[in-house]
Amino acid sequence: GNSVTQMEGPVTLSEEAFLTINCTYTATGYPSLFWYVQYPGEGLQLLLKATKADDKGSNKGFEATYRKETTSFHLEKGSVQVSDSAVYFCALSESSGNTPLVFGKGTRLSVIA
Amino acid sequence: NAGVMQNPRHLVRRRGQEARLRCSPMKGHSHVYWYRQLPEEGLKFMVYLQKENIIDESGMPKERFSAEFPKEGPSILRIQQVVRGDSAAYFCASSRGTGRNGYTFGSGTRLTVV
Repeated sequence: GNSVTQMEGPVTLSEEAFLTINCTYTATGYPSLFWYVQYPGEGLQLLLKATKADDKGSNKGFEATYRKETTSFHLEKGSVQVSDSAVYFCALSESSGNTPLVFGKGTRLSVIA
Repeated sequence: NAGVMQNPRHLVRRRGQEARLRCSPMKGHSHVYWYRQLPEEGLKFMVYLQKENIIDESGMPKERFSAEFPKEGPSILRIQQVVRGDSAAYFCASSRGTGRNGYTFGSGTRLTVV
């Protein structure tokens, strides 16, 4: 079945550091890939997405590139801020979209000033 | 354009009581999904519904849990005879069509069973 594996946290970085959160997936066909962010006490917000191989999703300084050859969708940001502290979830939707989104376990990021 | 609305935000129930969680999808969205999040864990899929139909309930516990999405009104997740282990955050999400472009999530209902 479809699955998502993302690096375990917590990840603690200093402000302005470079961020990478790894995500790899297992799926048949050509899934869509997503990163969601959850701030404390809130629901999940879509951060970025990519729907086909080599697509790059980007938003708020975050980027992720859909790599079919390595089945990966790593999240990156060049310079993190304290306000980026949150839990980040990688997710996939299978090709047809008819089955529910599958989520990774989440990676907690803490950015300290 | 209101997003996905869930209520209540916080719900406290004693063991053995019933919990009813409500979710109104975004306007124009006809697909609803319920997920459960336990403390410090990821999201576990529970059920996927369209109007008046359960499409996939493979993540729902076989007993005490049920869900509906009537023709009129919000989707309801119902937990009968709650136990302490049901304490969690329950999130509802919706999409216009299939989930290929992602979902919009509500803010969740945090259920505490005392």
